[in-house]
Amino acid sequence: NAGVTQTPKFRVLKTGQSMTLLCAQDMNHEYMYWYRQDPGMGLRLIHYSVGEGTTAKGEVPDGYNVSRLKKQNFLLGLESAAPSQTSVYFCASSYSGRSYEQYFGPGTRLTVT
Amino acid sequence: GQQLNQSPQSMFIQEGEDVSMNCTSSSIFNTWLWYKQDPGEGPVLLIALYKAGELTSNGRLTAQFGITRKDSFLNISASIPSDVGIYFCAGQPGGTSYGKLTFGQGTILTVHP
Repeated sequence: NAGVTQTPKFRVLKTGQSMTLLCAQDMNHEYMYWYRQDPGMGLRLIHYSVGEGTTAKGEVPDGYNVSRLKKQNFLLGLESAAPSQTSVYFCASSYSGRSYEQYFGPGTRLTVT
Repeated sequence: GQQLNQSPQSMFIQEGEDVSMNCTSSSIFNTWLWYKQDPGEGPVLLIALYKAGELTSNGRLTAQFGITRKDSFLNISASIPSDVGIYFCAGQPGGTSYGKLTFGQGTILTVHP
C-alpha cells in the first residue's frame, strides 16, 4: 500500500514550457486535491475532484488545468509555465465519508526560470 | 477567502518542554485539523476535531476545538527531537463542502536536545 505518490519529485522548467504532474493513490479514495505551498503561506488549494471525470476550481486555479480520467489518478497541467508558479506542489486524497482527513503525497518541487 | 491566523510562527524549545500553539479565525469553522510536515515530505494528519469543545489526544499530542468555533489549540507534552517540523492547522469554513480546507501559515518547531 503506497498511499499517495507523485511524479516527478523535482523539475526545472523555462518560462513558457509546459508539463504535467501525476498523482496516484491506491486507497480507493473518491476525492483528490492539488495544493501549492509557498513560504509563509501554508497550503492553497488549486483544483480538486470529487470523483472520476469531475473537477472543480479551488482558491488559486489560474494557469493550471487538471484531469481525472481514472479514479486513482489526478493530473495537474501547466500549459505555459511562469516564474510565479515556482512552488512545491502537493497532491492529497480522502474518502467521501471523512473528506477533511486528507492524505498527502511527498510533493513535487518545481522551479520555473 | 477565509484566513486562519496561526501562532506562534516559530518556537525554539528544549527537549522535555511542553509546547502550545493555536489557530484563530474571524469566522466560524465546522471542522479543525492539525497536520505535521517533516522536511521534504507532505503533511501528515495528527488530529481531527469535529465538535465544538471537543478535546482529543494522540499520544503526547492534545488538541481542542474552541467553544466559539473560531479557534483551535494544539499542545505537545514532553517534547522530543523528532517533534521537529512544521505544524499546520486547517479548518473547514462554515458553508463549504467536499473536503475544502483552509490552512494556517504553520508553526515551525525546533527542539534542542
